[in-house]
Amino acid sequence: EIVLTQSPGTLSLSPGERATLSCRASQSVSSNFLAWYQQKPGQAPRLLIYGASFRATGIPDRFSGSGSGTDFTLTIGRLEPEDFAVYHCQHYGTSLTFGQGTRLEIQ
Amino acid sequence: VQLVESGGGVAQPGTSLTLSCAASGFTFRSFAFHWVRQAPGKGLEWLAVISYDGGEKNYRDSVRGRFTISRDNSENTLYLQMNTLRPEDTAMYFCARDFRAYGVGPFDYWGQGILVTVSS
Repeated sequence: EIVLTQSPGTLSLSPGERATLSCRASQSVSSNFLAWYQQKPGQAPRLLIYGASFRATGIPDRFSGSGSGTDFTLTIGRLEPEDFAVYHCQHYGTSLTFGQGTRLEIQ
Repeated sequence: VQLVESGGGVAQPGTSLTLSCAASGFTFRSFAFHWVRQAPGKGLEWLAVISYDGGEKNYRDSVRGRFTISRDNSENTLYLQMNTLRPEDTAMYFCARDFRAYGVGPFDYWGQGILVTVSS
């Protein structure tokens, strides 16, 4: 089973700034089967990115995903107030595992 | 697309509970489904998957043998039967739709979740 480690645990930024979130896998992720989800308090997760870099339907283009192998990144180009939430990465395909999450909070 | 969970609540350790997930707004029988849980203040934990026709199922090791995933394509409903509940099963439980007919992920739609509390 692939273990995903997200960093940082908490990221404090201001609206308008750029956010960079990391997800590192314990072994190489085949076919870039890596997804990112956003979760706001009391809500279900929402799919943002799949295949490491493909935006899901309706996701603004300020969200972008990159990476391959064991190192993946979610970048939010210019933070909007509604972007402050918890972000989870997920490996899918041969196994289904989630990282522990990164909390993006307003500074 | 709408997924609505029900059947949660407070259960005593060692007892059983069955969660339901009613689906609407799409062709239910064309997609695989998953159950995922989130303990208070913790991350997401995948539990189980069922293929589009119910022919293939898989579970995480910690619930295999205690939890059973099933579906009724005539009723557009997904189920999770949970037996021999433990306090560590206390969590918000989400149903989630897979991208595809076979459950390899990712999960493109999620229900709002239902709370299960296991306590004496």
